[in-house]
Amino acid sequence: AQSVTQPDIHITVSEGASLELRCNYSYGATPYLFWYVQSPGQGLQLLLKYFSGDTLVQGIKGFEAEFKRSQSSFNLRKPSVHWSDAAEYFCAVGVTSGTYKYIFGTGTRLKVLA
Amino acid sequence: ETGVTQSPTHLIKTRGQQVTLRCSSQSGHNTVSWYQQALGQGPQFIFQYYREEENGRGNFPPRFSGLQFPNYSSELNVNALELDDSALYLCASSSVLTGIGEQYFGPGTRLTVT
Repeated sequence: AQSVTQPDIHITVSEGASLELRCNYSYGATPYLFWYVQSPGQGLQLLLKYFSGDTLVQGIKGFEAEFKRSQSSFNLRKPSVHWSDAAEYFCAVGVTSGTYKYIFGTGTRLKVLA
Repeated sequence: ETGVTQSPTHLIKTRGQQVTLRCSSQSGHNTVSWYQQALGQGPQFIFQYYREEENGRGNFPPRFSGLQFPNYSSELNVNALELDDSALYLCASSSVLTGIGEQYFGPGTRLTVT
């Protein structure tokens, strides 16, 4: 079955510290992978995406993610977190199963300590 | 280029009532997908419309229905509302012509059922 797992429900980091949010997916074909950020009461903002090519993908706001096919992972990283990064982060995989759709993980809520 | 818009932003309904949510797709996009995001969860695929016909459905009952119009805008209708229908409803548009890949999300409609 197709699925996305974000093992960490909550993560707390200090401002200026590095960040890594984990994402594992289950999908038999080549995945289209995405990371979105959602602030409270808001919609989804795309941080970055991977379709093919270089497995290290750069996104907005200083975020990057690395696709590792052997581990079925697409972890999100940021070298130095800012207080404004506090939000919920969703990993998603685009799958074709009858129709093309996204499957989302359950999200990781990031808290940033001043 | 106009992005995806949704209306209304918020609404409150009573259990058993019916509701219609609206979505205008991004210019040039002919496919609309709807997702439901319950509190504390990732978005879940409801259904997709292409060429004014349903093009795939997730695990949602028939009381969730939709329409797509010739200008590619779309409606999501929910009959016999239940308390569990309270959620953020997200619309996403994409273009079949550019192939599968990224869907562009609107800001969402927050539905509260009391």
